[in-house]
Amino acid sequence: SQELEQSPQSLIVQEGKNLTINCTSSKTLYGLYWYKQKYGEGLIFLMMLQKGGEEKSHEKITAKLDEKKQQSSLHITASQPSHAGIYLCGAGSGGSNYKLTFGKGTLLTVNP
Amino acid sequence: DTAVSQTPKYLVTQMGNDKSIKCEQNLGHDTMYWYKQDSKKFLKIMFSYNNKELIINETVPNRFSPKSPDKAHLNLHINSLELGDSAVYFCASSQGLTPSEAFFGQGTRLTVV
Repeated sequence: SQELEQSPQSLIVQEGKNLTINCTSSKTLYGLYWYKQKYGEGLIFLMMLQKGGEEKSHEKITAKLDEKKQQSSLHITASQPSHAGIYLCGAGSGGSNYKLTFGKGTLLTVNP
Repeated sequence: DTAVSQTPKYLVTQMGNDKSIKCEQNLGHDTMYWYKQDSKKFLKIMFSYNNKELIINETVPNRFSPKSPDKAHLNLHINSLELGDSAVYFCASSQGLTPSEAFFGQGTRLTVV
């Protein structure tokens, strides 16, 4: 079954700093998703990547999928307290029994 | 309007009780899911339904029974609740069975005492 490893497990940064979260898959990814979860809230969709080498940006967040489609990174530029939360990468399984499998998440704290 | 809504948001109940969590989506999606998030924040799929038909049924105790009366609803009924069932349960929906954005509800925090 698909396994996703996220690193680091937790991250504390000073406001204004850049940071990167990584997600590595044991298998080729058919679809890679990044979600953000704030305490007590549901998951908020950030981005979906499907093609090798694909890169997408939304405001100060950029996500990339490597050419081999086994690793993705999420980069936040000039972090703000509003970026704090748990970031989860998810992988689509492909096929008719499609499902999302998630990594264990990265807890991001941004200190003002 | 909330895209995927779950009720209740919090549920505290005693061991052995039977409880239900309701989920509704107004996005017109045809696929709905239940996920369980444990105390370590690990999110794992439990069930998925496509057009009211069960597609995925992961290794979940028989005490958990999903019910989909129509495409917009997927409820989760849990019998004989155990302490280990305490977790946050998330409902989600997406369009079709191919990779697409899944929208998640706000979660139901279940505490079994």
